Amino acid sequence: DQQVKQNSPSLSVQEGRISILNCDYTNSMFDYFLWYKKYPAEGPTFLISISSIKDKNEDGRFTVFLNKSAKHLSLHIVPSQPGDSAVYFCAAVYGGATNKLIFGTGTLLAVQP
Amino acid sequence: GAVVSQHPSWVICKSGTSVKIECRSLDFQATTMFWYRQFPKQSLMLMATSNEGSKATYEQGVEKDKFLINHASLTLSTLTVTSAHPEDSSFYICSARPGQGRSYEQYFGPGTRLTVT
Repeated sequence: DQQVKQNSPSLSVQEGRISILNCDYTNSMFDYFLWYKKYPAEGPTFLISISSIKDKNEDGRFTVFLNKSAKHLSLHIVPSQPGDSAVYFCAAVYGGATNKLIFGTGTLLAVQP
Repeated sequence: GAVVSQHPSWVICKSGTSVKIECRSLDFQATTMFWYRQFPKQSLMLMATSNEGSKATYEQGVEKDKFLINHASLTLSTLTVTSAHPEDSSFYICSARPGQGRSYEQYFGPGTRLTVT
């Protein structure tokens, strides 16, 4: 049972335009969400996070939006750059002491020059 | 800061042999380390959580006798795949959480590609 889903396996965007990556979750007990970027044969690198008590967090070109009622979050990258091309994973954290990360299935972003 | 290394980066072994993968936090102490595996074009699946000095906690469906985890110090955790079979071929990634870090803060290693022939 996939609790965190990224329904778009891939996305292609022109350089300079906005990239929007989406993520849906089913468990209302998640209290923190993170986005990671991953290149092939490398470990994920942290991009940006958001607490469940917020609806937006911004860091430079990256903004994450959270809609708790819809159990949906999105990552916006503006402007997109070719170096942003990678697989993006959203991840959710259970509340409490377990601190386990539950990863989504990933979206491959290709930014065309 | 917050660098995590893994060794080896890739390994090929014969069916039936055992392989050890090391995960080290280079510039911080990690009270908790996590082991994940990733199949091609799939998500990262948590295998186990290890706390320094205690037994690892395995996720449902992960055989603890097959995937031996040792977290002997605050900077080193090892995963040993025992009696490896071709279906164990995968990309194994560790992560480490700083002792003083926020509970969800994890830093990932570069991963180890295991191929069992």
